Amino acid sequence: AQRVTQPEKLLSVFKGAPVELKCNYSYSGSPELFWYVQYSRQRLQLLLRHISRESIKGFTADLNKGETSFHLKKPFAQEEDSAMYYCALSGYTGGKLIFGQGTELSVKP
Amino acid sequence: DARVTQTPRHKVTEMGQEVTMRCQPILGHNTVFWYRQTMMQGLELLAYFRNRAPLDDSGMPKDRFSAEMPDATLATLKIQPSEPRDSAVYFCASGPRGRYEQYFGPGTRLTVT
Repeated sequence: AQRVTQPEKLLSVFKGAPVELKCNYSYSGSPELFWYVQYSRQRLQLLLRHISRESIKGFTADLNKGETSFHLKKPFAQEEDSAMYYCALSGYTGGKLIFGQGTELSVKP
Repeated sequence: DARVTQTPRHKVTEMGQEVTMRCQPILGHNTVFWYRQTMMQGLELLAYFRNRAPLDDSGMPKDRFSAEMPDATLATLKIQPSEPRDSAVYFCASGPRGRYEQYFGPGTRLTVT
């Protein structure tokens, strides 16, 4: 079955603390993985894609095919990072995205 | 910075009324997706199109929802008749040819009373 699992509904940390948002997936093939961020009442924005191996706003994510995981990390959380984060996968170009349930990140001052 | 646009941004209507939501995908993108977001269900895919042809609408309640792409610059999602359980945020997204990622519009926040 094709599935994306984000085990934490809410993650609360203090400013300056490290953050790791977990994402595990199930897919029979080689999907492309993404992280999307949604700030309060706004559109979903593409944050990271695994194929780019880039760092955006201090966030990084590494694809671990052995553990079928794509965890999102940031060494020092900022208050402006507070948002909903969605992990998603796509199995082919132009195909639908399969989303996890999302993790709400709350960064306290 | 090209973006997906959606209208209206907010819609309040009474049960039984017809609702039409519109989406303008990013110019040159050849896939368009409709999602619904609720607190209970999260993000659900309702329908999607490639080169204006419908590929999958299995996520839509067929008796009341319909999705179309009259041309490459416009996608519509219609609900007739609307019900209170349709209250949600409806997002449109488009994807560039040959790529995996999608870009989302700002959403239409629908309230059916």
